[in-house]
Amino acid sequence: EVQLVQSGAEVKKPGESLQISCKGSGFNFTSYWIGWVRQPPGKGLEWMGMIYPGDSEIRYSPSFQGQVTISTDKSINTANLQWNSLKASDTAMYFCARHYGGAIIIPDYWGQGSLVTVSS
Amino acid sequence: SYELTQPPSVSVSPGQTARITCSGDALPKKFASWYQQKSGQAPVLVIYEDNKRPSGIPERFSGSSSGTMVTLTINGAQVDDEADYYCFSTDSSGNHRVFGGGTKLTVL
Repeated sequence: EVQLVQSGAEVKKPGESLQISCKGSGFNFTSYWIGWVRQPPGKGLEWMGMIYPGDSEIRYSPSFQGQVTISTDKSINTANLQWNSLKASDTAMYFCARHYGGAIIIPDYWGQGSLVTVSS
Repeated sequence: SYELTQPPSVSVSPGQTARITCSGDALPKKFASWYQQKSGQAPVLVIYEDNKRPSGIPERFSGSSSGTMVTLTINGAQVDDEADYYCFSTDSSGNHRVFGGGTKLTVL
């Protein structure tokens, strides 16, 4: 069974750093892209970027390039999303998703989400 | 930047057919997928490559494509189908992936 298990909720202050994680199981982790999707409170889904653990290639959405860092530790089947200096506008639910590489690469299986709250 | 446009809301009675549209300039050349997100839950893939249904998704869910628009159709909509639905695709270069703004489906 494909599973993606994300790290827990976080409460941070503006300017602080943060890394959240996503651990995959039930599939060959190094053969699929793993991506991240943001959902601000009460709003829609925003695709942020993805990483291929097999060779660590990363593709960012232009909207998120330079704002976050996506990384992976394939030795423990984990993908990470990192901020160096959080802003209040980063408050959102963050989902990781395995990406299926068919005609276009799309999210297929999703993690349960990690809620990040940034408030002074 | 590339955009996919969906209606904010669609409402049907139980047993009726619900149709949710998604328009984008690159859709004649790029496949779309659809996601169902129930309140407080992670999204679920219900249609990929315009009209293919993943295993476990009921047959009442189908997808179609015509020109710059793709459509998610739910035949015989049920109360349990109430959710937000999002389309997903890429721009013509294939480099920029985006979700549509989402459509809230009400079945009552």
